[in-house]
Amino acid sequence: DTGVSQDPRHKITKRGQNVTFRCDPISEHNRLYWYRQTLGQGPEFLTYFQNEAQLEKSRLLSDRFSAERPKGSFSTLEIQRTEQGDSAMYLCASSFLGGAANEKLFFGSGTQLSVL
Amino acid sequence: GIQVEQSPPDLILQEGANSTLRCNFSDSVNNLQWFHQNPWGQLINLFYIPSGTKQNGRLSATTVATERYSLLYISSSQTTDSGVYFCAIRRQGGSEKLVFGKGTKLTVNP
Repeated sequence: DTGVSQDPRHKITKRGQNVTFRCDPISEHNRLYWYRQTLGQGPEFLTYFQNEAQLEKSRLLSDRFSAERPKGSFSTLEIQRTEQGDSAMYLCASSFLGGAANEKLFFGSGTQLSVL
Repeated sequence: GIQVEQSPPDLILQEGANSTLRCNFSDSVNNLQWFHQNPWGQLINLFYIPSGTKQNGRLSATTVATERYSLLYISSSQTTDSGVYFCAIRRQGGSEKLVFGKGTKLTVNP
């Protein structure tokens, strides 16, 4: 068990460019979440998957954002036509939802996005 | 939506002191977790505690679900306890997302 892995750790891009982040969850975790965190705030929910199905998306997730989890393992988050307001830490978390319902989230180290 | 309020927003302690962090929430919950975000940004899960009391070393947590609050106790604080502590909740019968508070920033001085 190597924990939740996110890549890249940092990303600097110019406004208008597309960026893609990757998250590898803890193996056998069936749920995967994406959150966004700005300075001084708590993480804000973006979307989550159960296995390969995307079951919920926040209104924060505009049509420039898309997330996939094609085989129920790793996930990607793509931002098209980046804007300066997209600058934030993007956090991925995974969990196992089983019969006991004591679902604990485990977070990766995040991808820090800076849009110039 | 459900509201999560954490207090105090900032806390400065001397090493060895004890502290209590509070999380108030506005609705019934079926999931409540405490996290510690270290100065490098890593979020560490401390407790899953939708009700009752748990202890892990110098840390303990209590959730009184009927009164809609949770407390995190840190005893004999160490400089490595510094960082931001977040409470996160899931509303019972609602969305599956965890909603985070704004956190309590703890600074432990040597």
